[in-house]
Amino acid sequence: EIVLTQSPGTLSLSPGERATLSCRASQSVSGSYLAWYQQKPGQAPRLLIYGASSRATGIPDRFSGSGSGTDFTLTISGLEPEDFAVYYCQQYGSPWTFGQGTKVEIK
Amino acid sequence: QVQLVESGGGVVQPGRSLRLSCAASGFTFRSSAMHWVRQAPGKGLEWVAVISYDGSNKHYADSVKGRFTISRDNSKNTLYLQMNSLRPEDTAVYYCASDLVGATTDYWGQGTLVTVSS
Repeated sequence: EIVLTQSPGTLSLSPGERATLSCRASQSVSGSYLAWYQQKPGQAPRLLIYGASSRATGIPDRFSGSGSGTDFTLTISGLEPEDFAVYYCQQYGSPWTFGQGTKVEIK
Repeated sequence: QVQLVESGGGVVQPGRSLRLSCAASGFTFRSSAMHWVRQAPGKGLEWVAVISYDGSNKHYADSVKGRFTISRDNSKNTLYLQMNSLRPEDTAVYYCASDLVGATTDYWGQGTLVTVSS
């Protein structure tokens, strides 16, 4: 089983600032089957990025993903008020695994 | 419009059983592998189980293996999770979700809450 470790646990930033979230895998993620999700309280996770760097439909271009192998990054180029949420990385080979999440909070 | 609607959650005593359902519409359910994912209160996401598009292959998280069974009825566009020998640590919101391999999007239900408590 691939273990995903996200850092930092919490990111305190102001609107307009750049957010950089990290996800490290315990072994190489095959096929770049790495996704990023956003989750707000009381809501299901929302897919942002799949294939490590492809934006899902309807996702603003301020969200970008990069990386390969064992190291992946989600970047939010300028935080909007609606971006403050918890973000999870996920590898979707078999079986799925999730990182523990990074909370992006308002500073 | 794509919809995944879970049902069957509730409060159940430890050791008892519960069956969750996930009714799908608006996409080709029969062509998609499907997953159950859970989230304990205030905690992160935990993958529970997956079933292939035709039901021939199933895999489970170690935490539920031997107690939970995933199944599907493609004629009814419905996914199931039979949960036996429930434990307090199974308390969570349970989501059904479509697979992402080979896809450019996925679909999630709104979740159904299972509370295991005496």
